[in-house]
Parts: sequence; C-alpha cells; structure tokens
Amino acid sequence: DAGVIQSPRHEVTEMGQEVTLRCKPISGHDYLFWYRQTMMRGLELLIYFNNNVPIDDSGMPEDRFSAKMPNASFSTLKIQPSEPRDSAVYFCASSLRTRGRPQHFGDGTRLSIL
Amino acid sequence: AQKVTQAQTEISVVEKEDVTLDCVYETRDTTYYLFWYKQPPSGELVFLIRRNSFDEQNEISGRYSWNFQKSTSSFNFTITASQVVDSAVYFCALSEATGNQFYFGTGTSLTVIP
Repeated sequence: DAGVIQSPRHEVTEMGQEVTLRCKPISGHDYLFWYRQTMMRGLELLIYFNNNVPIDDSGMPEDRFSAKMPNASFSTLKIQPSEPRDSAVYFCASSLRTRGRPQHFGDGTRLSIL
Repeated sequence: AQKVTQAQTEISVVEKEDVTLDCVYETRDTTYYLFWYKQPPSGELVFLIRRNSFDEQNEISGRYSWNFQKSTSSFNFTITASQVVDSAVYFCALSEATGNQFYFGTGTSLTVIP
C-alpha cells in the first residue's frame, strides 16, 4: 500500500518567495497532520485536519503560514512570504479515525530559504 | 510542562552491546497510548510500536523490546545486540484519549559504532 506522499522532497528558494508543500495521505485515513522539525525546536505540530476540516491550527507560527485540505486525498501547506527562519523539514502524517492509532509519516520536505 | 521526556539526548554504543532508551510520560488521562518512532539518517519517521494504557505486558519483536511501567510512567525501549543499522534518532510519543494530538519527546540520538 502507498504511504503518505509528500512533494517536493527538497526545496531551495530565496527569501520572500512563496513556497507550497504538498501531501497525499494514506487512502482511508481521515486525520492529517503537518509538522515542522528543526534542531532547536524538535518536532512541532503546526495544524491538523479531520475529514478535511482544520481542527487545531494553534501551532501555525504566523499568518505567513496557511494550510488547506480541499479533499480527502490532498493537502497543502503554504508559506508566503518565506523567510530564512522557515528553513526546516516539514512532515505530513495521516491516521485513521480511531483514537490511539499511529500516525504514518511521509518522507518530509527539506526546505531551505536563502 | 513536557508531557514526554527523553532525558538521553545522545547515546553511543559499540556494536553488539545492548542499549536502553528511556521515556517518561505525564498524563492525567486513564486511557492513553504510547508510541515509539525511529528516524534513520535518511530522515523519514518510521512507526515502531504502540501500547495502550491498559496493557502493561512487555513486548518483544526480534532484537527490540519494550518495557511499559505505569507505576513509574515509563515506556522504555531496549535494543539487544545492537547493529550499525540501529543508528538513528528514536522518538517516544504520547496520545491521550481526550485528543488527537501526539506529544513527542525530544528524541534520543543513538550511534552504534562498528
């Protein structure tokens, strides 16, 4: 079975540019999570969706960050405008409805803002 | 307050040694779930195991074993006869029945020296 698919794997862009990260969750999973990982702050939950609806976006750092889930098989995380401090690895994860189920992670997008 | 504490930041062992990674958690829920994930140098996050709060049986899977003790709020992970391929960062995580979030520890970086 296909796992969580993220694209791109790597992104290098200049400060001020718009960045869009993409995620396709595992089919049938109704929870989707976006995380950011840095050396300084570890794994941070940015936002999560249930049945395509954002449930908790309290982890989104600033208004420059936005996330959407237009359908059950696709989500985006957008940064506009990007800044060097946004450089990190961004992970998408999905899980089944039942509480206590593991989250399955994509391979991540390594983002570098110059 | 940190819900999951992994006090060991880095551990180095020589191949074939046994190593235990510590995880201490904090929750007021009576129903909760504990997880271990592995992040190898390639960067992906791999789910290893889930335990629920009602099942304190230890589990063994090959060279891996997990010791869950509610009395000490610990969920420790032991690798027997470590191998170089075990080198990775290992994360412990907690999920409470009252929510859908995962609370990750800060991770333990394990290096197995050949």
